[in-house]
Amino acid sequence: EDKVVQSPLSLVVHEGDTVTLNCSYEVTNFRSLLWYKQEKKAPTFLFMLTSSGIEKKSGRLSSILDKKELFSILNITATQTGDSAVYLCAGNAGGTSYGKLTFGQGTILTVHP
Amino acid sequence: DTGVSQDPRHKITKRGQNVTFRCDPISEHNRLYWYRQTLGQGPEFLTYFQNEAQLEKSRLLSDRFSAERPKGSFSTLEIQRTEQGDSAMYLCASGGRTQETQYFGPGTRLLVL
Repeated sequence: EDKVVQSPLSLVVHEGDTVTLNCSYEVTNFRSLLWYKQEKKAPTFLFMLTSSGIEKKSGRLSSILDKKELFSILNITATQTGDSAVYLCAGNAGGTSYGKLTFGQGTILTVHP
Repeated sequence: DTGVSQDPRHKITKRGQNVTFRCDPISEHNRLYWYRQTLGQGPEFLTYFQNEAQLEKSRLLSDRFSAERPKGSFSTLEIQRTEQGDSAMYLCASGGRTQETQYFGPGTRLLVL
C-alpha cells in the first residue's frame, strides 16, 4: 500500500525564521511529488517535482526531490505569519492509478509575530 | 479560486439519510478525483474519473458510496444511509490531459448527526 510520511507533524516558529519540512514516500509507479498549502479550506497547489536534484522555487518557498532516497523537502525562508498553514505533500502514482494522490498527514506550521 | 466548484459547501444531515454532492471541474480538464479529509489527516483518495469512465475506486468507498460523471463534465458523489463516521470534508480535484497537477475545489463539509 502506498504511504507518505511527513515530519515534523507540527512546528512553531517566529517571523523571520527558516523552516524545513520533510516528506518521505513509498508510491507504486511513482511519477511525481506534489506540495500543497491548506489554510482552513481546500489545498492550494505549491509545487510539482518529477526529477531528482532540481530545485523548484517560488518566492521564499523552494522544494527539491531525491528519488533515490524517496524524499522531498520544502523550505520556507524569512517566514511570515501568512505562512501559517498545514503543508501537505502527496505522491502521484502512474500506470492504471494515474494521478491518484497519496497524501501525508501534513505539517502544521505556526508562525508567531 | 482554482476554477473547481463544489456544491453544497456545507451539509448537515441525520444518520440514515442520503446525501448527494456535486463537483464542477475546470472545463477543459478530463480527469476528476474525489477525496475525503477528516480532521488532522491529509486527504484520502476515494475515486477517479477520466472523462465519464470511473477508472479506480478506493477500498474506502463502501457500497453506500456511489459516484458518477455521466457526460464527462460535472460529477456527483452520493452517500446512502449516512453514518456518523461519514462526517468529513469531501474534496473534488480536476486535472488536465497533459497536466499531472490537480486543482482542488473548496470542498463540501458534511456533518452527520
